[in-house]
Amino acid sequence: AQKVTQAQTEISVVEKEDVTLDCVYETRDTTYYLFWYKQPPSGELVFLIRRNSFDEQNEISGRYSWNFQKSTSSFNFTITASQVVDSAVYFCALSEGTDKLIFGTGTRLQVFP
Amino acid sequence: DAGVIQSPRHEVTEMGQEVTLRCKPISGHNSLFWYRQTMMRGLELLIYFNNNVPIDDSGMPEDRFSAKMPNASFSTLKIQPSEPRDSAVYFCASSFNGRRGYEQYFGPGTRLTVT
Repeated sequence: AQKVTQAQTEISVVEKEDVTLDCVYETRDTTYYLFWYKQPPSGELVFLIRRNSFDEQNEISGRYSWNFQKSTSSFNFTITASQVVDSAVYFCALSEGTDKLIFGTGTRLQVFP
Repeated sequence: DAGVIQSPRHEVTEMGQEVTLRCKPISGHNSLFWYRQTMMRGLELLIYFNNNVPIDDSGMPEDRFSAKMPNASFSTLKIQPSEPRDSAVYFCASSFNGRRGYEQYFGPGTRLTVT
């Protein structure tokens, strides 16, 4: 059965700190896709990244980086030098076999000035 | 380019009334998804369409909920009759070509309050 676990319910950091959001997934498929979405206080869900199961290369986009490790079924998200604008709920999601996304419960990140 | 458009953004209604939520997907996308988000249950997929055809409605909570997609650029989610437990934020999302692995783009959501 497919499942996405975000064990960290809430994280608080001070601006400029680095922070890592954990995501652990379960799937029986060999082909699957992983996603991260951001939900700022305004409420919309913003797509951040997609990764397929055949590509374990880490990805960096500005202050954001993602570490995909199939051996531990993890797809972790790191924000370097966090800023107040990074405050949001971050969701990890899994897609396998169909168009459906299975979302984790989200991690609320609060960045204080 | 315009993103996913939802209307209304906020809806307050009384128990028993009919509620209709509307969605316009991104042009060129042919998969459309309806989600509900609550504090208790998080993000739940209610139903999704591919090429205007409902593919999976297993998340629709009960017969009071119905969804239609009469054409590629419009979908509705209707609740009749509404109940206070239907209060939530309802999101519509669309994706390209309906193939798995394509990211979904979400609308701003409709915040529904049923009193």
